[in-house]
Amino acid sequence: KAGVTQTPRYLIKTRGQQVTLSCSPISGHRSVSWYQQTPGQGLQFLFEYFSETQRNKGNFPGRFSGRQFSNSRSEMNVSTLELGDSALYLCASSTRTGGFDEQFFGPGTRLTVL
Amino acid sequence: QKEVEQNSGPLSVPEGAIASLNCTYSDRGSQSFFWYRQYSGKSPELIMFIYSNGDKEDGRFTAQLNKASQYVSLLIRDSQPSDSATYLCAVRGNAGKSTFGDGTTLTVKP
Repeated sequence: KAGVTQTPRYLIKTRGQQVTLSCSPISGHRSVSWYQQTPGQGLQFLFEYFSETQRNKGNFPGRFSGRQFSNSRSEMNVSTLELGDSALYLCASSTRTGGFDEQFFGPGTRLTVL
Repeated sequence: QKEVEQNSGPLSVPEGAIASLNCTYSDRGSQSFFWYRQYSGKSPELIMFIYSNGDKEDGRFTAQLNKASQYVSLLIRDSQPSDSATYLCAVRGNAGKSTFGDGTTLTVKP
């Protein structure tokens, strides 16, 4: 079974631009969560989508948004990029939402904001 | 106080020794607990999960959970140099949101 895939793997943008990241979950998984990982803040939860609905949201500004499609693929968008948005963005998929399902991570998208 | 705290590394053990990684959490409603291994430059890889009090063993790995003490640990027996990585503890509530600790970096010296 193929794992979680994320595209693109690397991205370089300048301040003020916007970016869209894509995540395809493991086949059969309907929940997709997004995380930001930085050396200073560690792994921080952005949001979770299940059946095209946002189920949970972390403490990030409204510049960070996402959506999920009917095939469970998810996109994350960051508008008006700031230098501090430079990070590894990870998505993780699981079968269901809720507390008992294991999450499996994709390889991540490394975003650099200049 | 952080929601999930891990023992601050780095932790160094000799090859063949037992490595002990610890994690405490603040939310008593937490339902599931996960250990991920993350090699430098790679994404986290799930290695263990535990839902019930007690021990859960999988090969050289043992996860231990004590909900009363809000404590979860990971033991790695017969540590190998390939176990050198950062280990992340994740705690998940019934709403599905996962909170991660900052990680403990383990180095296994040959």
